[in-house]
Formats: sequence, structure tokens, C-alpha cells
Amino acid sequence: GQNIDQPTEMTATEGAIVQINCTYQTSGFNGLFWYQQHAGEAPTFLSYNVLDGLEEKGRFSSFLSRSKGYSYLLLKELQMKDSASYLCAVKLNYGGSQGNLIFGKGTKLSVKP
Amino acid sequence: EAQVTQNPRYLITVTGKKLTVTCSQNMNHEYMSWYRQDPGLGLRQIYYSMNVEVTDKGDVPEGYKVSRKEKRNFPLILESPSPNQTSLYFCASSLSVGSFYEQYFGPGTRLTVT
Repeated sequence: GQNIDQPTEMTATEGAIVQINCTYQTSGFNGLFWYQQHAGEAPTFLSYNVLDGLEEKGRFSSFLSRSKGYSYLLLKELQMKDSASYLCAVKLNYGGSQGNLIFGKGTKLSVKP
Repeated sequence: EAQVTQNPRYLITVTGKKLTVTCSQNMNHEYMSWYRQDPGLGLRQIYYSMNVEVTDKGDVPEGYKVSRKEKRNFPLILESPSPNQTSLYFCASSLSVGSFYEQYFGPGTRLTVT
């Protein structure tokens, strides 16, 4: 079976740093996505990791360890507008299928003043 | 403007009445996909398409059909909707299914089946 785990909710303070973890156990792996979704809106792409290591993009960084089945999204200098759900998703690659994408249930982040 | 459009945005229907939710993208993307999002369950993939005339099942394909006759369009068909298909539906597209290509999501279609 496929399983992706993320914390359900997190709270952090404006200006601080927060790390959102994602662990996965999947049959086949071909990359990991992070998306941001504000309430009532569509998800928007944040990052895609396929190799081990840290990818930095402005205030957002994403890390992947394939051997540990682990990723995290790091948000720095938190702003109120970062209050949203953050979705971890794994792209599968097995049985000739490369288009299957499995999502975690998402982490709802609340940023407090 | 590069975008993914879905229609309708909101739909209330009755059990058994066939319906189609349209999805169109203007970015010449090869890969398109349909998801449903339910509270506590997250986003789940229904069907995806790697290119014209190539479709495959995602995690929750039961009760749904799709077709990809043209590159830009990927309609989702519910032949006989049931109340358990009440959900928020998203269509998405990306340049290809290969590495490093981000998915663009449509605005969503909120479907209620009574």
C-alpha cells in the first residue's frame, strides 16, 4: 500500500521558522512535491525534489532523503499570509506507470501575530 | 493568460443523472489529471492522462470516466452520480509527467449529489 504521513496541524509565530515533516512508504518513487493551499482555493506548486538534499527557493526550502522516506518543508520569516495547508505528494513510478500522484492529508499551518 | 479552467464551478444534482465536468488548459501541456478533495482524506487522484488518447486510473477511479480526444481538454464524466461522489474536484495539468514540471490546478468544482 501507499502511505504518506504529515502532522495534521501546526501553529507558529510571525517572523519565526517552521518545519513541516512528511514521511512516506510507497511502492515506487519518482519525486516528491510540496503544494500550498489556502482555504477555498486550488493548490499551488511550491517545490519538487527528486534527488537527496536541500532545495532552496526564497523563504521556502524543501529537503529529501530517499533512503529514509522523509522530506520536510522549511518556511522562514513567517508571514500571516503563510497561513494555509501544506500538501506533500509523492510521484510514483511502478509497473510502467509514471503519472500516479499520491497526496498526504495536508498540514494546516496557522501563523499567529 | 496561462490557466486551467473548469466548468461548472458549482453543481447540485440528483442521484443517477449523468453529468460532465469540463477541464481545459491553454498551455499545450501533455499531462492532465483529475483529483477529488474530501475533508480528512486529502486530495486523491481519480484519473490521469499522459497524452492524447492515453489515460490511466488513479487511486479512486470507480464511478468516473474520462476521455482525452484533444490535448487541451480532459472532461470528467459521472455516468450515474451517487451521494458519495459529493466532493470538491480539481483538474490539473503539467508540461509533462517527467521530472521538475509543476502541476497547475484549476479553480475547482464543488459537486453536491442529493
